[in-house]
Amino acid sequence: KAGVTQTPRYLIKTRGQQVTLSCSPISGHRSVSWYQQTPGQGLQFLFEYFSETQRNKGNFPGRFSGRQFSNSRSEMNVSTLELGDSALYLCASSFNRDKYTGELFFGEGSRLTVL
Amino acid sequence: AQKITQTQPGMFVQEKEAVTLDCTYDTSDPSYGLFWYKQPSSGEMIFLIYQGSYDQQNATEGRYSLNFQKARKSANLVISASQLGDSAMYFCAMREVSYSSASKIIFGSGTRLSIRP
Repeated sequence: KAGVTQTPRYLIKTRGQQVTLSCSPISGHRSVSWYQQTPGQGLQFLFEYFSETQRNKGNFPGRFSGRQFSNSRSEMNVSTLELGDSALYLCASSFNRDKYTGELFFGEGSRLTVL
Repeated sequence: AQKITQTQPGMFVQEKEAVTLDCTYDTSDPSYGLFWYKQPSSGEMIFLIYQGSYDQQNATEGRYSLNFQKARKSANLVISASQLGDSAMYFCAMREVSYSSASKIIFGSGTRLSIRP
């Protein structure tokens, strides 16, 4: 069974640009969530999608957005990049049988460097 | 507010010894799930073990067990017979339901475990 696939794995952008990251969940998983990991702030929840609907959103500015397609694949977009957006962006999928269980399976992440 | 606290930034353990990684949490929700993840230097987060708030028994997965003390709001990870490959960052996490009936995961700051040969 294929795991969670994130593309691209590494990318370098300059301030002011925008970036789109892609995530393909494990087959059959309908929940996809995104996390930002930085040395200073640790792992922070960005948003979660379930059946193409955003179910929850973390405390990030509107420059961070996402969407989910009918095949459960998800994309996140960051516009007007800032130096502080440099981070490892992790995507996770879950079968989500109910609200409380369903472990997250993570991809290897997309490492974004903003110059 | 929901919070996960891991008070051990780093730990050194001799190979084959058991190790306990501490985790305390705070939530007002009666129903929640607790997780432990391992993150090697490659960056991928690897799921280790899960404990539901209503589970009566402590979760176990091979060499991993979760010492769940609900009254103390602690969920310590125990690794028995540590191996060199256990060297990694370990994150405790909690999943609970927000008022909007959605759910999100919050993570602790992590513990870097180093196994000495």
